[in-house]
Amino acid sequence: GPKVLQIPSHQIIDMGQMVTLNCDPVSNHLYFYWYKQILGQQMEFLVNFYNGKVMEKSKLFKDQFSVERPDGSYFTLKIQPTALEDSAVYFCASSLVGGGFYAEQFFGPGTRLTVL
Amino acid sequence: QQQVRQSPQSLTVWEGETAILNCSYENSAFDYFPWYQQFPGEGPALLIAIRSVSDKKEDGRFTIFFNKREKKLSLHITDSQPGDSATYFCAASGSNYQLIWGSGTKLIIKP
Repeated sequence: GPKVLQIPSHQIIDMGQMVTLNCDPVSNHLYFYWYKQILGQQMEFLVNFYNGKVMEKSKLFKDQFSVERPDGSYFTLKIQPTALEDSAVYFCASSLVGGGFYAEQFFGPGTRLTVL
Repeated sequence: QQQVRQSPQSLTVWEGETAILNCSYENSAFDYFPWYQQFPGEGPALLIAIRSVSDKKEDGRFTIFFNKREKKLSLHITDSQPGDSATYFCAASGSNYQLIWGSGTKLIIKP
């Protein structure tokens, strides 16, 4: 099936540093998402992105977070500065359409972020 | 409230038995309920989904039963196989783009 790739698979950084998580979504998909999962617990929605804009974001999407997808390249999540509570696995997802029954979201394998 | 709740937290069944995973929600505006399967170290993958206009959705050994009045649904896995061992997440969404996730059920199938 369609594949979403995430780079890197694991990132360790010191608190206060900047980190960029990269996502290569399914090639013809138009909607992109970031989710946060702590220690195999429930997935928590962070943000979705369409046509160069943030469509929705949750309370977890702090001011230190930003997303972009310049010129059809990677869809990125940047955290600057990082905090200890940002340690989690971050999943990227993409879908062809947004919302509802036909908007199947395809997930990448995740990036494990460890903030020391 | 937008919570989605799942039970049990973990479930162990013998190979060949039927595993039943439960999910409930609070927001009556939710109309799309996908179930995702996640193996350790991987991202979740869509297993089966149902819309609120239906009360049952079947795909091979996997069936969703949906009760709109009680805001409950369940995933039945018949003839369970060891390869079905994974964490299963129930999710829900309405007219917006957000998927609201339950906390998952860790399913173990014993051979």
